Amino acid sequence: ELKVEQNPLFLSMQEGKNYTIYCNYSTTSDRLYWYRQDPGKSLESLFVLLSNGAVKQEGRLMASLDTKARLSTLHITAAVHDLSATYFCAVDTVQGAQKLVFGQGTRLTINP
Amino acid sequence: KAGVTQTPRYLIKTRGQQVTLSCSPISGHRSVSWYQQTPGQGLQFLFEYFSETQRNKGNFPGRFSGRQFSNSRSEMNVSTLELGDSALYLCASTELAGLETQYFGPGTRLLVL
Repeated sequence: ELKVEQNPLFLSMQEGKNYTIYCNYSTTSDRLYWYRQDPGKSLESLFVLLSNGAVKQEGRLMASLDTKARLSTLHITAAVHDLSATYFCAVDTVQGAQKLVFGQGTRLTINP
Repeated sequence: KAGVTQTPRYLIKTRGQQVTLSCSPISGHRSVSWYQQTPGQGLQFLFEYFSETQRNKGNFPGRFSGRQFSNSRSEMNVSTLELGDSALYLCASTELAGLETQYFGPGTRLLVL
């Protein structure tokens, strides 16, 4: 059974600092997704990582994928308050199945 | 393009009742997946439909069912509601099977009393 684990689960940081969220998964998969969720809202797609070594960047967020280590990271550079949200990683269990297994989520709070 | 829409947005039911939730995918998207989100269990996959066929199902009891229509709109039904069914139900649509991002709707928040 595929398991996806994120850490940390809670992260409080100051504006301007850098930090990394880690996402480990237990079985082979070559596709990993990152989503953002604001309180009371739905999920917003951030990144789709499709192959080993994939790196994608959008603004202050950068995601990478190491399929051999079964690890993805979401790096936040010079955090700003607007990035406060819960971040989820998710992995497809069966290729093409659109059956995602999500991590527990990392609740990120960025303080001025 | 309009995004994924879900109706109703909020629903209050009592134990033992049944409920039907609706999801309209982005135009042109043929795959619809459903997820349940609760504080305790997080986000869990319910089922996925593609071209009116259920292709995958999660580990939920038979009280949870769904279907997809020829226009790709999907419904999910929960019969004999239990308190533990209180959750945010999210549907997501994808254009094609495979490498596509799933786009999520705003969700239906169900409260079972």
